[in-house]
Amino acid sequence: NAGVTQTPKFQVLKTGQSMTLQCAQDMNHEYMSWYRQDPGMGLRLIHYSVGAGITDQGEVPNGYNVSRSTTEDFPLRLLSAAPSQTSVYFCASSWRNNQPQHFGDGTRLSIL
Amino acid sequence: ELKVEQNPLFLSMQEGKNYTIYCNYSTTSDRLYWYRQDPGKSLESLFVLLSNGAVKQEGRLMASLDTKARLSTLHITAAVHDLSATYFCAVDPRPPLNQFYFGTGTSLTVIP
Repeated sequence: NAGVTQTPKFQVLKTGQSMTLQCAQDMNHEYMSWYRQDPGMGLRLIHYSVGAGITDQGEVPNGYNVSRSTTEDFPLRLLSAAPSQTSVYFCASSWRNNQPQHFGDGTRLSIL
Repeated sequence: ELKVEQNPLFLSMQEGKNYTIYCNYSTTSDRLYWYRQDPGKSLESLFVLLSNGAVKQEGRLMASLDTKARLSTLHITAAVHDLSATYFCAVDPRPPLNQFYFGTGTSLTVIP
């Protein structure tokens, strides 16, 4: 049971670099989301998707892009990394909209 | 702006004692979720509350939802050390979009 798999687990970037955080789930879940977790602020929704080909912005979308070409994959792209994007990023998925989300193990990202 | 507030933010309690964590939210929602996070780990689903008056119990934890008061509680009975973790509530105010808004979390430490 792989569940929700995030790669990489750790990453250090320089300001201005771009990168993609990968998220894959093997549960055939329609709903997928990306969050960032910062100390004292809980989790904040970046982007979400209700199915392949459908994405939308959450609370804090600026500086991030997503796509959902397949049900399984939901990558998050940082376009031009900034120190303010230093955070722990979690990907989550759920089968239906009234079901709990399954979370990946997170990606710890530092921007220097 | 939608707000989800938890209190207390930090809770230190002795084993065997009872306590309640509160989750208030600022918008209409009849769906509320509770999650647990151990230090450095991912989030694990505890409860899904889908209607006014819903009550769920698992072991020493019991969650309830009052949608009219926009309040959910997580009650801990006879705390044990294994319950030490951070607890988050999350609301889903616009189903079926799956836009979750998380509280800031309550960090619980149970002292022997």
